[in-house]
Amino acid sequence: ETGVTQSPTHLIKTRGQQVTLRCSSQSGHNTVSWYQQALGQGPQFIFQYYREEENGRGNFPPRFSGLQFPNYSSELNVNALELDDSALYLCASSPNRDSWQFFGPGTRLTVL
Amino acid sequence: GQNIDQPTEMTATEGAIVQINCTYQTSGFNGLFWYQQHAGEAPTFLSYNVLDGLEEKGRFSSFLSRSKGYSYLLLKELQMKDSASYLCAVRDDDGGATNKLIFGTGTLLAVQP
Repeated sequence: ETGVTQSPTHLIKTRGQQVTLRCSSQSGHNTVSWYQQALGQGPQFIFQYYREEENGRGNFPPRFSGLQFPNYSSELNVNALELDDSALYLCASSPNRDSWQFFGPGTRLTVL
Repeated sequence: GQNIDQPTEMTATEGAIVQINCTYQTSGFNGLFWYQQHAGEAPTFLSYNVLDGLEEKGRFSSFLSRSKGYSYLLLKELQMKDSASYLCAVRDDDGGATNKLIFGTGTLLAVQP
């Protein structure tokens, strides 16, 4: 157990809908990173938040957006869902932006 | 470009030793991680190398050669529960601003009786 929690565990949406995924970071951690893991692939970096500001972004379109709150929990929002957005979404928290990352259990998103 | 290569699948026998190789080419390097991931679960940390050489941790060891862009994970005394995907990941500091992990596709290890 890493102390990082994510909700919901599973989610089913249809094309064109919007989704919000949530992550509670480990106590004392101020940095949250989000990753997308498609079936049979390694996780891909979406973006990172450090002290409520975006601190780097991977190669994902603008319909992937995020927030970090004053308590350092975070949200990942995806608009206009596409079938290829079906994946395991992983959140990882770290004590600081240059520290090791600890992964949450993930949210399995299925887009029909 | 960013590229991390590792074999897709490997098979080994219970009680044996297996070595999973990883080669990488990344724009930045601030350490290499190995994670274990069981199907449908989150990756769990196994090892971390930032300097050249071997790091040993119980049944698991990891080696790094920065000049060769090469690492391996060595698993000894294999157990059935070691059947999982093993992910190699490079921490790319992207010039110091971002602490992101770049993952390989993972090596699916099947341990047979």
